[in-house]
Amino acid sequence: QKEVEQNSGPLSVPEGAIASLNCTYSDRGSQSFFWYRQYSGKSPELIMSIYSNGDKEDGRFTAQLNKASQYVSLLIRDSQPSDSATYLCAVQVPGGYQKVTFGIGTKLQVIP
Amino acid sequence: GAGVSQSPSNKVTEKGKDVELRCDPISGHTALYWYRQSLGQGLEFLIYFQGNSAPDKSGLPSDRFSAERTGGSVSTLTIQRTQQEDSAVYLCASSFSGGTNEQFFGPGTRLTVL
Repeated sequence: QKEVEQNSGPLSVPEGAIASLNCTYSDRGSQSFFWYRQYSGKSPELIMSIYSNGDKEDGRFTAQLNKASQYVSLLIRDSQPSDSATYLCAVQVPGGYQKVTFGIGTKLQVIP
Repeated sequence: GAGVSQSPSNKVTEKGKDVELRCDPISGHTALYWYRQSLGQGLEFLIYFQGNSAPDKSGLPSDRFSAERTGGSVSTLTIQRTQQEDSAVYLCASSFSGGTNEQFFGPGTRLTVL
């Protein structure tokens, strides 16, 4: 079982719709969770971090964490064509080293 | 302030040559990570430095790969006797360990081995 799993997509949504990106992780002791956006040919950029169960909102983005289900998601409201990118889920695994493991990423396409 | 910088941005080399890739992290960040990303693939963890602790080298794919971090700041990733399968984008990230551990990435070095 992979430590961090994401559907590679592509996920296609129409402009203005809500895009829902999902991620599951295997280590129940994981404490920190991150969402990165990566445009084609660019490096990843951090868009959200979440550390406790529940929702965290930042503008059009909402991160949701459910530790019991080992599930973290990212919702993008009012999706725009400029949101088209690959979204990487990252999880900090517990232990002496604070290593962060990345999922393969979900490619999102917002159709005008 | 300045973000993570990497040099060179592009490197073309011949099979069998050695290459050095440089990363300059955000000032004050104690943790530094190297990743590799092949075309259309996810991030592959290579190595992690945290302060003065021994690095986590568990992701290095072979003994041709090595990295060092001098003075707790700049890091150099060295690939000896490059192979065509080493062609990828090499990304460096840094974070302020002990805080949120949010990683900030540099622009990457695109390595092409002919």
